[in-house]
Amino acid sequence: DAMVIQNPRYQVTQFGKPVTLSCSQTLNHNVMYWYQQKSSQAPKLLFHYYDKDFNNEADTPDNFQSRRPNTSFCFLDIRSPGLGDAAMYLCATSRGGGTGGFEGYTFGSGTRLTVV
Amino acid sequence: AQSVSQHNHHVILSEAASLELGCNYSYGGTVNLFWYVQYPGQHLQLLLKYFSGDPLVKGIKGFEAEFIKSKFSFNLRKPSVQWSDTAEYFCAVASNNAGNMLTFGGGTRLMVKP
Repeated sequence: DAMVIQNPRYQVTQFGKPVTLSCSQTLNHNVMYWYQQKSSQAPKLLFHYYDKDFNNEADTPDNFQSRRPNTSFCFLDIRSPGLGDAAMYLCATSRGGGTGGFEGYTFGSGTRLTVV
Repeated sequence: AQSVSQHNHHVILSEAASLELGCNYSYGGTVNLFWYVQYPGQHLQLLLKYFSGDPLVKGIKGFEAEFIKSKFSFNLRKPSVQWSDTAEYFCAVASNNAGNMLTFGGGTRLMVKP
């Protein structure tokens, strides 16, 4: 089945040690998103790629970066994780190109990041 | 700025009670509306969505939602809840004025007592 896959499901990293989370999709959607969801809070958009164009949300810390080497893959890099970065990170995809092409979002299962 | 409001942060019901969760949004332009459910320890799952047409939308697991454009609302309903409906529910809106960026409400945590 076409889907959005996030690896790993659980990630433990040390304070200050760079970590990379990955997302892949088989939907051929041109838009990919990264959301951060802290405990008991709504998901918060960090950034998204529209094709190759990177779009950062204004309040996303510089500590968070992203790469999209091709249509199928997108990575979230956290340069120096702090305790406050512990959260569920959600990848999502959609088909962009105006209302006619938009069908909604498909979410991955998420990666739960623990910082020790 | 666009926003989504869910007025009930915590709801506690007994099994077989009826459920209605409120969702209001402030957006311009054409909107697409969603309800997601997140069971404890699990990822977001789509319950239902509204894009156009019949404003009463039926989703999975017996849920439905009604889009009332004049009230900027998209309330979620279920006639008779079950213990297994215990979860957090998120309303979300994507507006073509905002490039179809999905914005979530703050969520409503539902506890159903057996």
